[in-house]
Amino acid sequence: EVQLVQSGAEVKKPGESLKISCKGSGYSFTSYWIGWVRQMPGKGLEWMGIIYPGDSDTRYSPSFQGQVTISADKSISTAYLQWSSLKASDTAMYYCARHRELRKHNDAFDIWGQGTMVTVSS
Amino acid sequence: SYELTQPPSVSVSPGQTARITCSGDALPKQYAYWYQQKPGQAPVLVIYKDSERPSGIPERFSGSSSGTTVTLTISGVQAEDEADYYCQSADSSGTYLVFGGGTKLTVL
Repeated sequence: EVQLVQSGAEVKKPGESLKISCKGSGYSFTSYWIGWVRQMPGKGLEWMGIIYPGDSDTRYSPSFQGQVTISADKSISTAYLQWSSLKASDTAMYYCARHRELRKHNDAFDIWGQGTMVTVSS
Repeated sequence: SYELTQPPSVSVSPGQTARITCSGDALPKQYAYWYQQKPGQAPVLVIYKDSERPSGIPERFSGSSSGTTVTLTISGVQAEDEADYYCQSADSSGTYLVFGGGTKLTVL
């Protein structure tokens, strides 16, 4: 079964760093782009960026460039989303998702993780 | 930055046809994708490449494209179709993707 399993919920303070994960299984992890999507409480979906684990090629939304870092460790089939200094406005559900077609960077997400809730509060 | 525009809400009675539009300047050049999201759940892909339906998605879901507007059509709407629907597409250069603001479909 193709699936993405995300790390658990996090509660952090403003200014702290954080790295959440997304582990793929049931398919060739290095051959499909994986992306991250933010959903703030009661709001819509926001495309943050994508990474190709095969060579770590990464694309960011202009809205998130410089705010987060997307990375991947292909040896353990895991993608990451990290912050160096969290803000209260980073409070949201974060989903990872896989592109539908092999190697295609401009594509739909067909497999989604279960989401990781990040709460940033003093 | 690039934007896709959707109506905030659409309401239909059971058995009727719901149409949800999504507008964007690059849509004549870029494919559109549609997702359904129910409360507390991850999104589900219901249409890709403007009009293709993934396996397991009911035939009542269809997509179409005309110029700068794409449309998700749900024929014979059922109560279980009540959800938020999001379109997604790429900017004109295909460098990054965006989601529309989402449309809440209410089944009366």
